Amino acid sequence: AQSVTQLGSHVSVSEGALVLLRCNYSSSVPPYLFWYVQYPNQGLQLLLKYTTGATLVKGINGFEAEFKKSETSFHLTKPSAHMSDAAEYFCAVSEREYGNKLVFGAGTILRVKS
Amino acid sequence: EAGVAQSPRYKIIEKRQSVAFWCNPISGHATLYWYQQILGQGPKLLIQFQNNGVVDDSQLPKDRFSAERLKGVDSTLKIQPAKLEDSAVYLCASSAGGHSYEQYFGPGTRLTVT
Repeated sequence: AQSVTQLGSHVSVSEGALVLLRCNYSSSVPPYLFWYVQYPNQGLQLLLKYTTGATLVKGINGFEAEFKKSETSFHLTKPSAHMSDAAEYFCAVSEREYGNKLVFGAGTILRVKS
Repeated sequence: EAGVAQSPRYKIIEKRQSVAFWCNPISGHATLYWYQQILGQGPKLLIQFQNNGVVDDSQLPKDRFSAERLKGVDSTLKIQPAKLEDSAVYLCASSAGGHSYEQYFGPGTRLTVT
């Protein structure tokens, strides 16, 4: 069965500092991995995805993530945090055999301090 | 391109009452998903439709929840009777299906059961 663990329900960084949000997954087959962002009272917006190919994936708003099979990880990073990055971030895994159903982690709330 | 539309955005009902949510997916998207997002948790899939057929409803509490997607376009999700623990945001998402793994989310309906 698929599962996702996001380490840290809350992360606080200073504006301009590195953002690192951690995600570990469990999957019985090569997974497809996603990061979504959710702003207050809004739906989820896709930041980036990994399906096949290059393991370093670049997304919108300067975010990127690296798929590390040996570590079963898909951590999200951004070199320099901006106030507008404050939101909740969700890591998700899907398997084609299960109709591309997404299984989400519990989410990490990112706070950016000025 | 218009996004996924949901209504109502907010709903407050008393326990044991019934409620219905509506979703209009992105035009041409064959696959439609309903997720339940309880406060502090990641979204959890309730039901997945491929056109007007159900692909996965394994986590839908069928004694009180029902969903339909007539004509393979719009969808409604109904709860009858509602319980306190049904308080959550109900998210609708759609995808083109096939090898397209990206799901596009609507803004959600926030349900409060008192």
